[in-house]
Amino acid sequence: GENVEQHPSTLSVQEGDSAVIKCTYSDSASNYFPWYKQELGKRPQLIIDIRSNVGEKKDQRIAVTLNKTAKHFSLHITETQPEDSAVYFCAASKGSYGKLTFGQGTILTVHP
Amino acid sequence: EPEVTQTPSHQVTQMGQEVILRCVPISNHLYFYWYRQILGQKVEFLVSFYNNEISEKSEIFDDQFSVERPDGSNFTLKIRSTKLEDSAMYFCASSALAGGRTGELFFGEGSRLTVL
Repeated sequence: GENVEQHPSTLSVQEGDSAVIKCTYSDSASNYFPWYKQELGKRPQLIIDIRSNVGEKKDQRIAVTLNKTAKHFSLHITETQPEDSAVYFCAASKGSYGKLTFGQGTILTVHP
Repeated sequence: EPEVTQTPSHQVTQMGQEVILRCVPISNHLYFYWYRQILGQKVEFLVSFYNNEISEKSEIFDDQFSVERPDGSNFTLKIRSTKLEDSAMYFCASSALAGGRTGELFFGEGSRLTVL
């Protein structure tokens, strides 16, 4: 089955810096790659997603890039703010049936 | 904005007892899921449900687990005889099939299950 590896496990940055989180996946049939943000004790919330027919997607300070050949995708957050502090999970899926395979998560801490 | 709602938010039970976790998915969604997250670990897929039947399940979802959509709004997860290792946060999720952002999952707030 699919296996998703995520790095780093923790990331500490100063407010205003950029943060990059990377994921690799194993199943070349995967075609949907969402990123979820989870604040302590809360539900995971989708922040951005990308499908395998595009290489990059941007939404304000957040961007995701996908390299299908290398089977990796990355989350980029620019101009980080303290409220960006949370656990970020990448995930991969083969279709629209909702079986997401999640990465291990990255604890992002943004220091004021 | 519509949300997935779950009850109870926290349940404490004794090992061997049955528990039922309840979810109300977003009303026009067609796919329903249960995921779990053991404290400090990744979110894991348990089961997906479509058209009143299981469409896919993981190896975690053994005979102790069952799902049901007893009416037009609720979606339940039953654990027949709980074990200590079932202690986790259980998330219900739903997604729409057609139109909009197909594949996006909307998660509930979770039900924390503690098995003593």
